[in-house]
Amino acid sequence: RKEVEQDPGPFNVPEGATVAFNCTYSNSASQSFFWYRQDCRKEPKLLMSVYSSGNEDGRFTAQLNRASQYISLLIRDSKLSDSATYLCVVNGAWSGAGSYQLTFGKGTKLSVIP
Amino acid sequence: DAGVTQSPTHLIKTRGQQVTLRCSPKSGHDTVSWYQQALGQGPQFIFQYYEEEERQRGNFPDRFSGHQFPNYSSELNVNALLLGDSALYLCASSSTTSFYNEQFFGPGTRLTVL
Repeated sequence: RKEVEQDPGPFNVPEGATVAFNCTYSNSASQSFFWYRQDCRKEPKLLMSVYSSGNEDGRFTAQLNRASQYISLLIRDSKLSDSATYLCVVNGAWSGAGSYQLTFGKGTKLSVIP
Repeated sequence: DAGVTQSPTHLIKTRGQQVTLRCSPKSGHDTVSWYQQALGQGPQFIFQYYEEEERQRGNFPDRFSGHQFPNYSSELNVNALLLGDSALYLCASSSTTSFYNEQFFGPGTRLTVL
């Protein structure tokens, strides 16, 4: 099992649609979880930290299921500006990794179509 | 409030040469991490510096080395460049006082090895 695994997509959705990204991680001891977005040829930008109880920020909702080692990101009412690659990120994602090491999934590409 | 800055933005080198990349962290941050991102992949952790010492290292050879200065800025050095070292090199800064230890990325240095 890979350390952080995401559906590579691409996801092509119309404006206004709801889209969900899923991610699994392999180390049950991982403590911190994040979603980053990355535009083409740009740096990753922190979108949300994922808290144990789940959290919401406007149109974005993140959920964490520790028992299943599963993280999700829901985007409601998609905008054209949401088009980007979404990266699932876990701290200490494998048993040999230190707790300071962020491990990134390969990302899921989202295209929101007019 | 300046974010994370990196220099240079682009660099072209030939095989066998050496390169130094530079990073200044976000104001108030004391920790710098370096990542390598190949095309189509998520960033891969190289190492992290805190208190001028390498605190954690990913699975990269000794050709990759770094340094952190008293003002928290950092350098990444790569010796004996290989074609496979061509990538986007990202610096991320964080603060040890932050509970969740979120990392914020600079714009990156795009290295091409010919």
